[in-house]
Amino acid sequence: GESVGLHLPTLSVQEGDNSIINCAYSNSASDYFIWYKQESGKGPQFIIDIRSNMDKRQGQRVTVLLNKTVKHLSLQIAATQPGDSAVYFCAETRAGTALIFGKGTTLSVSS
Amino acid sequence: GAGVSQSPSNKVTEKGKDVELRCDPISGHTALYWYRQSLGQGLEFLIYFQGNSAPDKSGLPSDRFSAERTGGSVSTLTIQRTQQEDSAVYLCASSLRGVRNSPLHFGNGTRLTVT
Repeated sequence: GESVGLHLPTLSVQEGDNSIINCAYSNSASDYFIWYKQESGKGPQFIIDIRSNMDKRQGQRVTVLLNKTVKHLSLQIAATQPGDSAVYFCAETRAGTALIFGKGTTLSVSS
Repeated sequence: GAGVSQSPSNKVTEKGKDVELRCDPISGHTALYWYRQSLGQGLEFLIYFQGNSAPDKSGLPSDRFSAERTGGSVSTLTIQRTQQEDSAVYLCASSLRGVRNSPLHFGNGTRLTVT
């Protein structure tokens, strides 16, 4: 069946390193993708989004890359900080459907 | 202004009881969503309200689950005859114009424990 998933359940990095979190989606009709960050005990927080007519979008310290050929999405976090430790979810949608979330990747940043 | 507010933050109930979970979306947001998150899992879509349109109920897991949105604002998710497998965090989110045009803003959820 269709799914939105992440390649790795956990990612551990050192403070100051760059982090890359990956996501694969299975439905080629998906045309809008969003990354969320969820800290313990809180609801997911919007980080950045990208539409299928773009390959790359940059925010503050974050970049999302979309490769429609292989149906792959990634979130890059520059100069990772301890405050970036959280669970990161990718989500996708297309016309007529709700936002579908993957299972998440736990990012742990050590000082 | 305030973000999405959910109440109660925690709810413990006995198996077989009914529960009501409340969501106050951000003022002016036309779209409202309910998701369920089991421990260590992703978010499972439950139901979606957009303006005055009929809600998308395709994610509700059984007829024990229902939701309403009164006056285009506050929403209540009701679970009847709760079961232990209903234990999860129930998250509400709102969006200014729907998720395809504006991002979802989530509340901090209601943690439901069915004993």
